[in-house]
Amino acid sequence: EAGVTQFPSHSVIEKGQTVTLRCDPISGHDNLYWYRRVMGKEIKFLLHFVKESKQDESGMPNNRFLAERTGGTYSTLKVQPAELEDSGVYFCASSPRRGDTEAFFGQGTRLTVV
Amino acid sequence: GQNIDQPTEMTATEGAIVQINCTYQTSGFNGLFWYQQHAGEAPTFLSYNVLDGLEEKGRFSSFLSRSKGYSYLLLKELQMKDSASYLCAVRAGGYQKVTFGIGTKLQVIP
Repeated sequence: EAGVTQFPSHSVIEKGQTVTLRCDPISGHDNLYWYRRVMGKEIKFLLHFVKESKQDESGMPNNRFLAERTGGTYSTLKVQPAELEDSGVYFCASSPRRGDTEAFFGQGTRLTVV
Repeated sequence: GQNIDQPTEMTATEGAIVQINCTYQTSGFNGLFWYQQHAGEAPTFLSYNVLDGLEEKGRFSSFLSRSKGYSYLLLKELQMKDSASYLCAVRAGGYQKVTFGIGTKLQVIP
């Protein structure tokens, strides 16, 4: 069974550009989470989808970030326009049901804004 | 908000035992996770504690005291491959959001 996959693995963009990150959760997992780790800091929650609905987006930094999960399958996280402080590793995780004790993480997308 | 504290770095010897502590302050506590993350890889699930006490799983054990806001991860018979970051994370609140600590980077030396 394929795990959580994220694309791209690395992205280097200039300040002001737009970047879209993609996450494919494990098939059948209703819950999908986005997290971000800025260098030297802890992994921080961004938002949580249950199927195609945003359950909790309290961690989204600002309105430059837009997450979607059309059809309740894969999800995208768009940053527009990107700023230097957006650099970090963006992780996606999924789990079958709400309250599951284990979430499966992807390997992350390392975003560098220059 | 939630506050999670764990040491940033630890060093231990191959074959030995190491205990990684985690303290937290939160409301609406609903469980504590430990994840292992090797450099450049995805965090992988190690354990989940929701009740007080010790959960043992092979060489790894995790302990929780809810009244003290305290947990530890115990690694026995350390192997070189155990060198990794160990992330303590707490689930709390109505939406059961998971909040991570900064992680403890463990280096196992011969």
